[in-house]
Amino acid sequence: EAGVAQSPRYKIIEKRQSVAFWCNPISGHATLYWYQQILGQGPKLLIQFQNNGVVDDSQLPKDRFSAERLKGVDSTLKIQPAKLEDSAVYLCASRARQGADIQYFGAGTRLSVL
Amino acid sequence: GDSVTQMEGPVTLSEEAFLTINCTYTATGYPSLFWYVQYPGEGLQLLLKATKADDKGSNKGFEATYRKETTSFHLEKGSVQVSDSAVYFCALSDRGGYSTLTFGKGTMLLVSP
Repeated sequence: EAGVAQSPRYKIIEKRQSVAFWCNPISGHATLYWYQQILGQGPKLLIQFQNNGVVDDSQLPKDRFSAERLKGVDSTLKIQPAKLEDSAVYLCASRARQGADIQYFGAGTRLSVL
Repeated sequence: GDSVTQMEGPVTLSEEAFLTINCTYTATGYPSLFWYVQYPGEGLQLLLKATKADDKGSNKGFEATYRKETTSFHLEKGSVQVSDSAVYFCALSDRGGYSTLTFGKGTMLLVSP
């Protein structure tokens, strides 16, 4: 079974530029998460989708971050414009179904904002 | 809100030494508890979990027991190997339908030959 796929693995941009990350969850997984992991800290939830609907985006900085999950499969996370403090690893995770408690993580995208 | 506190690292051990990484939590409900491991350049992998008080999760020689009375979930291994070098994250999940994970800051383990 293929795992959670993310791309790109690394991205370097200058502040005020825009950037997008892509995630393909495990086939059939209804729930998809985006986390931000700043160096030296644990992952922090940004947004959670159930199929193609948002169920929690309370910690997403909506003035600059956006995310979508068209057709309830792939997802894209965008930052526009980026700030220096957005430098982090962005992790995507998926979960099979409501009630299942295990999340499966991708390898992440490491973003450096200069 | 929910929170997880882990001992700070790095934890530096020699091969075959005993490992303990402390984890305590604060939760309003009755959470499930997890240990995730992150090897260099990789994503997080579930190491073990426990869903109710006194449950013991175990995997690859690692163990942790859900202690409700002390709100703890300490990770232990009797004899570490160099290949265990990684960052270990303690996490909890609320039991709602859209269970979200709250992570600790992580503890880096370095094992030398």
